[in-house]
Amino acid sequence: AQKVTQAQTKISVVEKEDVTLDCVYETRDTTYYLFWYKQPPSGELVFLIRRNSFDEQNEISGRYSWNFQKSTSSFNFTITASQVVDSAVYFCALAQYVKSNQFYFGTGTSLTVIP
Amino acid sequence: DGGITQSPKYLFRKEGQNVTLSCEQNLNHDAMYWYRQDPGQGLRLIYYSQIVNDFQKGDIAEGYSVSREKKESFPLTVTSAQKNPTAFYLCASNPGTGHQPQHFGDGTRLSIL
Repeated sequence: AQKVTQAQTKISVVEKEDVTLDCVYETRDTTYYLFWYKQPPSGELVFLIRRNSFDEQNEISGRYSWNFQKSTSSFNFTITASQVVDSAVYFCALAQYVKSNQFYFGTGTSLTVIP
Repeated sequence: DGGITQSPKYLFRKEGQNVTLSCEQNLNHDAMYWYRQDPGQGLRLIYYSQIVNDFQKGDIAEGYSVSREKKESFPLTVTSAQKNPTAFYLCASNPGTGHQPQHFGDGTRLSIL
């Protein structure tokens, strides 16, 4: 069975603090894909990053960075020097290789950045 | 600009009434999806379609129906059999190959009168 767990329901940080959003997944597949999406108050989900199971390199994009560790089945997302515009709900998702069009989403983490 | 358009943004349903949510995309994507979002439950898949005139049930298809007569359009009907329809509904699409990210519309919020 495929499952994505985001244990942090709500997080509040003060502007300029760093914050890490946790994502733990379960799958028996050896090939799979992981995603992070941002959902601002407007409602639309915005794609942030995709990572396949063979690529464990960490990635940095501006203030965003992602740490993928297969050994712990985790794909954590860190925002450095948080800003008010980062306030949103963030979702982690898993896609199988075999049934590639079925995405499994976590329950999301609501991040509030306080000015 | 290419994207996904959902309408209406807000919708109200009376008891016993069927309502249809519209989803149109101009991204030339083969696959389209409908999700339901409830507070604290993340996104749950209702239906998806990988090609025209074909669609599959997701995890919570009961009380919903869809059609895919055109590549660009994937309307969702919430039937009177869906006893708890109040939720935020999101439509998405992707090329259907290569595990491409799904692109999402702005959503429709459905409430019961």
